[in-house]
Amino acid sequence: ETGVTQTPRHLVMGMTNKKSLKCEQHLGHNAMYWYKQSAKKPLELMFVYSLEERVENNSVPSRFSPECPNSSHLFLHLHTLQPEDSALYLCASSQGRDRGYEQYFGPGTRLTVT
Amino acid sequence: QQPVQSPQAVILREGEDAVINCSSSKALYSVHWYRQKHGEAPVFLMILLKGGEQKGHEKISASFNEKKQQSSLYLTASQLSYSGTYFCGTEIRSNSGYALNFGKGTSLLVTP
Repeated sequence: ETGVTQTPRHLVMGMTNKKSLKCEQHLGHNAMYWYKQSAKKPLELMFVYSLEERVENNSVPSRFSPECPNSSHLFLHLHTLQPEDSALYLCASSQGRDRGYEQYFGPGTRLTVT
Repeated sequence: QQPVQSPQAVILREGEDAVINCSSSKALYSVHWYRQKHGEAPVFLMILLKGGEQKGHEKISASFNEKKQQSSLYLTASQLSYSGTYFCGTEIRSNSGYALNFGKGTSLLVTP
C-alpha cells in the first residue's frame, strides 16, 4: 500500500450505531488530519494530530471521537450520529505542522446516517 | 477564516484558458492548490510560500500576491483531464502552529 488509505470506503449506519473509520498513512509523516466534506460546503477541518498528540479540535461534537495510536494510524469513532453528519470524511497527512507542508489525502469514507 | 474562491463554476472548451481566484481577509503565510475529481481524493497541485512567487506545473501555474492576500490559478490550453473541483487552501497562524483553511472550491468542466 502506498499513500493514505481509508477504510471502509462506504458506510451506512443508524443513529444508534457505533462505528469507526480507519486511516493509515504509508508516507512517514508526522501529522494527520480528519476533514468533513459536505455538498456545497468547503472542506471542514475536524481534528489535527501532530506526533500522536491532538493539537486542534475545531468545535466538533463529542459524538465524533478521534484516536491516534501511532503516527501511521488515525481513527474516527462515531456514535449516536445525526442525519446531518452524512458526508465524505477525508483523512490527510503531512510531513509536519510547520508552514508550507502539503497534505496528502486518502480516498475518503462516504458516510450515510439513516 | 475560509478563503473566498471565484468563480464558483466554469465551463471551458478544450484548449481554452481559465483563471481561478482565491482571496482571504486574513494575512496569509502560504497558499495551497488542490484538484479533486468526482469520487476521488483531493490531489496536491502546488504551494506558494512567498509573496510574488509564481509556480508552474505543466500548463497550470499560480501566483501569490501577499499584500493583497490573494492567489490565482491559471489553466492554459485546458485539457479534458483538467476537469474537477479546484480548492485553494490558505495557511494562517493558529494557536498550535499553522492551520489550512479551504475555500468552497471552483468546479471546472472542460468539454471536447
